[in-house]
Amino acid sequence: GESVGLHLPTLSVQEGDNSIINCAYSNSASDYFIWYKQESGKGPQFIIDIRSNMDKRQGQRVTVLLNKTVKHLSLQIAATQPGDSAVYFCAEKRNRISGGYNKLIFGAGTRLAVHP
Amino acid sequence: EPEVTQTPSHQVTQMGQEVILRCVPISNHLYFYWYRQILGQKVEFLVSFYNNEISEKSEIFDDQFSVERPDGSNFTLKIRSTKLEDSAMYFCASTRGQGSYNEQFFGPGTRLTVL
Repeated sequence: GESVGLHLPTLSVQEGDNSIINCAYSNSASDYFIWYKQESGKGPQFIIDIRSNMDKRQGQRVTVLLNKTVKHLSLQIAATQPGDSAVYFCAEKRNRISGGYNKLIFGAGTRLAVHP
Repeated sequence: EPEVTQTPSHQVTQMGQEVILRCVPISNHLYFYWYRQILGQKVEFLVSFYNNEISEKSEIFDDQFSVERPDGSNFTLKIRSTKLEDSAMYFCASTRGQGSYNEQFFGPGTRLTVL
């Protein structure tokens, strides 16, 4: 089936703490995954991506981990700030091998609330 | 920094009316997409478009929906006879290339409210 889902719908953290947002995907043929941030009233904004030949990728304050064995993704945000408050979506890009023409299959989203 | 733009930001219409949602993709991009997001739910793929034809469409994209690139800059989504359940945010996205690793850039969305 086509599903990319999330374990936690809401995550509340204290400013300065690290945040971890999880995601599961179902298509083992998928080879590219993206995390998006969506602020209220805006479109999804690219945060970080990872290809299936990697298990970890780091950006500025963000790290994505990929575990292909259990089909699991996570987004780690270091030193979470109030500006990080948003809904975070994982997405899986489907290509000809995994069943699509580069469409994105989004997960359900996790709302991150950062408290001072 | 180039960005995808969408108009209008909010469209209110009566059930059964036709609506056209407009998008201006990033200028050197060649692949275009529409997604929708019902309030509180995940973003769902509707259709992808390249070289003046649909590449792929979802089961949501039925005969009531159509897309068009009427000129070199605009990309439109038309809903011929809107239903209450069409109320959602509609996002346009574009990408430069077809490769799996090309980032899709999203516009700010149009909120469609069907009364």
